[in-house]
Amino acid sequence: KNQVEQSPQSLIILEGKNCTLQCNYTVSPFSNLRWYKQDTGRGPVSLTIMTFSENTKSNGRYTATLDADTKQSSLHITASQLSDSASYICVVSAYNNNDMRFGAGTRLTVKP
Amino acid sequence: DSGVTQTPKHLITATGQRVTLRCSPRSGDLSVYWYQQSLDQGLQFLIQYYNGEERAKGNILERFSAQQFPDLHSELNLSSLELGDSALYFCASSVGFGEDTQYFGPGTRLTVL
Repeated sequence: KNQVEQSPQSLIILEGKNCTLQCNYTVSPFSNLRWYKQDTGRGPVSLTIMTFSENTKSNGRYTATLDADTKQSSLHITASQLSDSASYICVVSAYNNNDMRFGAGTRLTVKP
Repeated sequence: DSGVTQTPKHLITATGQRVTLRCSPRSGDLSVYWYQQSLDQGLQFLIQYYNGEERAKGNILERFSAQQFPDLHSELNLSSLELGDSALYFCASSVGFGEDTQYFGPGTRLTVL
């Protein structure tokens, strides 16, 4: 069964610190993996999109990595800011987006 | 502001009723996606349209249907509503499909009483 699992479920860090969020998947055949940031009650915002051949992709302070062999991805956030407090969701698509699976998300809280 | 608009923002209705949610994609985007986000199920992909044609189908119930019109706006119809249909319904749009960035609208919050 195609699944996406994220860890940790929640995370609290101090402003200015770095953190890494994990995403493991079993979706096959793999097409792409996306990371989204979602503020409470608002629509998700795309951070990165990676295909099979991409290992790393950055978007400002956000860097995503992908290991297609082990079916793992991570999202690294550097020099965290209070505005980074949100849920981060990993989405893995099978070929042709016919099967788009969402992880449950990691709830990140950045404290001053 | 993503450029994707959804109406209404909130909708409260009773079980057994039928509602229509509307989405206008960003200018120039041909793909529209519908998603459901509930507290117990998280985000789920429902259906995708590309340039008026259904392109991909996810976990959409038979009581739900959607269409994309020639002006590219889309509607999601939910019928025979049940309490469990209460959720946030998001629409997203992209230029094409595949690895194109999807831009999400603000959502419609549906409450079924």
